[in-house]
Amino acid sequence: AQSVAQPEDQVNVAEGNPLTVKCTYSVSGNPYLFWYVQYPNRGLQFLLKYITGDNLVKGSYGFEAEFNKSQTSFHLKKPSALVSDSALYFCAVRDWGGSYIPTFGRGTSLIVHP
Amino acid sequence: SQTIHQWPATLVQPVGSPLSLECTVEGTSNPNLYWYRQAAGRGLQLLFYSVGIGQISSEVPQNLSASRPQDRQFILSSKKLLLSDSGFYLCAWSSRDGGREQYFGPGTRLTVT
Repeated sequence: AQSVAQPEDQVNVAEGNPLTVKCTYSVSGNPYLFWYVQYPNRGLQFLLKYITGDNLVKGSYGFEAEFNKSQTSFHLKKPSALVSDSALYFCAVRDWGGSYIPTFGRGTSLIVHP
Repeated sequence: SQTIHQWPATLVQPVGSPLSLECTVEGTSNPNLYWYRQAAGRGLQLLFYSVGIGQISSEVPQNLSASRPQDRQFILSSKKLLLSDSGFYLCAWSSRDGGREQYFGPGTRLTVT
């Protein structure tokens, strides 16, 4: 079985400050991990993924995420937030040895204040 | 490069009317295809997925159905819409390699009145 949790419904951050959006997961084997962003009335856009290798993954728009196996976490980060980063962010997980269907978190609304 | 199209972008339909939403993918072959619904709020609900022509798996029993008449075409249908069918419908594709990310279409906003 696989599951993912995004413990925060909403994250507020001031423009220029670093941001973190949290994600924890549970899988039976090894995880594939993904982050997506959704702007209002749009489809989800792929940001980055962890498959294997370096625990720090860099993605689009200056975002990065750190895979932590011991804490089963895959938090999304950005050193300096922009107002345009305000959106809904989804974490997703898939178990290597399980179904190819990913499980999505409920989403975290990121609000960046000017 | 790959592109995914969905239409229509918005739809307002009365209860009891039929539904047909279409999704097509360009620039790839043999994709896995998915239909999701996103209700007001945020969570994504997987409705159907397909690994090939004519191969449809349903995740949630409901009055919706899906078909894949061509390799890169995925259709979501209903014979009679319910109020509860309102939502934002998203089509997505991924490569056959299970480790790959999904790419989503722009979505269809369906309002059942």
